[in-house]
Amino acid sequence: SQELEQSPQSLIVQEGKNLTINCTSSKTLYGLYWYKQKYGEGLIFLMMLQKGGEEKSHEKITAKLDEKKQQSSLHITASQPSHAGIYLCGAVPNAPPLVFGKGTRLSVIA
Amino acid sequence: DVKVTQSSRYLVKRTGEKVFLECVQDMDHENMFWYRQDPGLGLRLIYFSYDVKMKEKGDIPEGYSVSREKKERFSLILESASTNQTSMYLCASRPWGQGPHQTQYFGPGTRLLVL
Repeated sequence: SQELEQSPQSLIVQEGKNLTINCTSSKTLYGLYWYKQKYGEGLIFLMMLQKGGEEKSHEKITAKLDEKKQQSSLHITASQPSHAGIYLCGAVPNAPPLVFGKGTRLSVIA
Repeated sequence: DVKVTQSSRYLVKRTGEKVFLECVQDMDHENMFWYRQDPGLGLRLIYFSYDVKMKEKGDIPEGYSVSREKKERFSLILESASTNQTSMYLCASRPWGQGPHQTQYFGPGTRLLVL
């Protein structure tokens, strides 16, 4: 079965700093989703990557999928307190359920 | 605007009680899912459904059952709640298919405490 490993598990950054979160798959990804979860709330869809080498941006968040489609990174530029939360990657397998990583908890301090 | 709603944000129940968690989506999605989320364990799939009256076990179905009588509604049932079922429960829905537009959307979650 497919597994996703996220690193780091948690991250504390100073406001204004850049950061990167990684998601590595045990198998080639058909597609990869990135979600953000504010503490105690549901998951909010950020973006989806499907093609090798693909890169998408939304405001100050950029996600990339490597050429081999086994690793994705999420990069936040000039972090703000509003970026704090848990970031999860989810892989699209052949069957309906997505497979999720365990998440990366991001704290942004002033 | 896509919408997945869950019947309660917070719920407190006693051990042995029967608990119903309801999820409704307004996007006409075929697939619906129930997850629980616990610190250090991430999201774990309990059950999912790919059509009305159809259900499939996920990774941790023990102690749970589900019902999908209508396409828009997917209910999670804890037959006899136990303290180890204290958790955050998340419902999600997704259209059929694997293409780039088949995004999975989540509800706001229900935080259940079993005393």
